[in-house]
Amino acid sequence: SQQGEEDPQALSIQEGENATMNCSYKTSINNLQWYRQNSGRGLVHLILIRSNEREKHSGRLRVTLDTSKKSSSLLITASRAADTASYFCATGSMDSNYQLIWGAGTKLIIKP
Amino acid sequence: DTGVSQDPRHKITKRGQNVTFRCDPISEHNRLYWYRQTLGQGPEFLTYFQNEAQLEKSRLLSDRFSAERPKGSFSTLEIQRTEQGDSAMYLCASSFWSDGYTFGSGTRLTVV
Repeated sequence: SQQGEEDPQALSIQEGENATMNCSYKTSINNLQWYRQNSGRGLVHLILIRSNEREKHSGRLRVTLDTSKKSSSLLITASRAADTASYFCATGSMDSNYQLIWGAGTKLIIKP
Repeated sequence: DTGVSQDPRHKITKRGQNVTFRCDPISEHNRLYWYRQTLGQGPEFLTYFQNEAQLEKSRLLSDRFSAERPKGSFSTLEIQRTEQGDSAMYLCASSFWSDGYTFGSGTRLTVV
């Protein structure tokens, strides 16, 4: 079953602009993770935010978590063509500390 | 350590045949996961090992699927009597406890 829902499903922006993707989930979590997947390739872990954290940064990435709204956002600043990929959020459940439940992803296209 | 390795990268098989995939995780990681991903969807959990013990298997997984992780090292995923619906990307990942996952590049299975 899929818990996370990313929004939008697809996003196309100009290089240099900021890209924001959102993720909503249904059940209580102990962490939320964001991953990137280039076409036909494996997934790459970007950032993990725990349920007691509200914001986290990693380079050009900024993730926020609002557990009251059961939502998270991923902001990519100063986008580059190499950021073109699908981005997935995955939640680690309070009931299961091993299984991640994934959304269907946001397909991001950066136009040069 | 070169990350998580999966073999083969691609597998084409006739319906009814058995297939086996291999995953070599990061040696320091104690958890190993198998996921399946179809086009346009997020990964779907199949099974999970902590060291050599298989602790959970998805209810979605039929009896045709079996996984092993002898001695807590590499893992194999076998699909018996393959069906066309088994066509997908099979992803292996490892982690240290509930830290972020490191995924392999996946094995793309096509059942004809």
